[in-house]
Amino acid sequence: SQQGEEDPQALSIQEGENATMNCSYKTSINNLQWYRQNSGRGLVHLILIRSNEREKHSGRLRVTLDTSKKSSSLLITASRAADTASYFCARVQGAQKLVFGQGTRLTINP
Amino acid sequence: DVKVTQSSRYLVKRTGEKVFLECVQDMDHENMFWYRQDPGLGLRLIYFSYDVKMKEKGDIPEGYSVSREKKERFSLILESASTNQTSMYLCASSRYSYEQYFGPGTRLTVT
Repeated sequence: SQQGEEDPQALSIQEGENATMNCSYKTSINNLQWYRQNSGRGLVHLILIRSNEREKHSGRLRVTLDTSKKSSSLLITASRAADTASYFCARVQGAQKLVFGQGTRLTINP
Repeated sequence: DVKVTQSSRYLVKRTGEKVFLECVQDMDHENMFWYRQDPGLGLRLIYFSYDVKMKEKGDIPEGYSVSREKKERFSLILESASTNQTSMYLCASSRYSYEQYFGPGTRLTVT
């Protein structure tokens, strides 16, 4: 499969803790993107990191990219109940297509 | 804000019916996509379009067709719906290879 692999498949933590999700992929990339999906809804774009970037921040989100290991991680700091969702990484294939991973289901417990 | 709308949130159809799913975006994006999402299988690309009247097959085009007569509208057609096409259908649009903007999804049930 050319899809990325997210790890873990599911993660449950207490509110206020940090959550880390990992993504691995098999082929070279121009950029890698992370998306969030609340239950039964469409995906929302969170952050895009280019292949020449190693780290990117957006509010409580931090994304790292290691092209030598073909992996990326998404860190959510100081988690909140509203962060409960599924998180997907996606890489560009060809000119326009995105290939999505299977996703990590994150549950934040109050 | 970019807005991608889909014609229905929930749809129930009978086996053999012809089904139309409509998607409209308001940001003049070149690219539009149709995915289906199933538990354990993630998002799979059915078709995409990079320009009006242009279309490309994705990973699972069998049983589907698409139409893009206007830049803002991309339709997915199930010529003869089958029960294995029961799924969540997601439409998205993007400019070039940048981030994709998704609609809210249509949960289709074929009985």
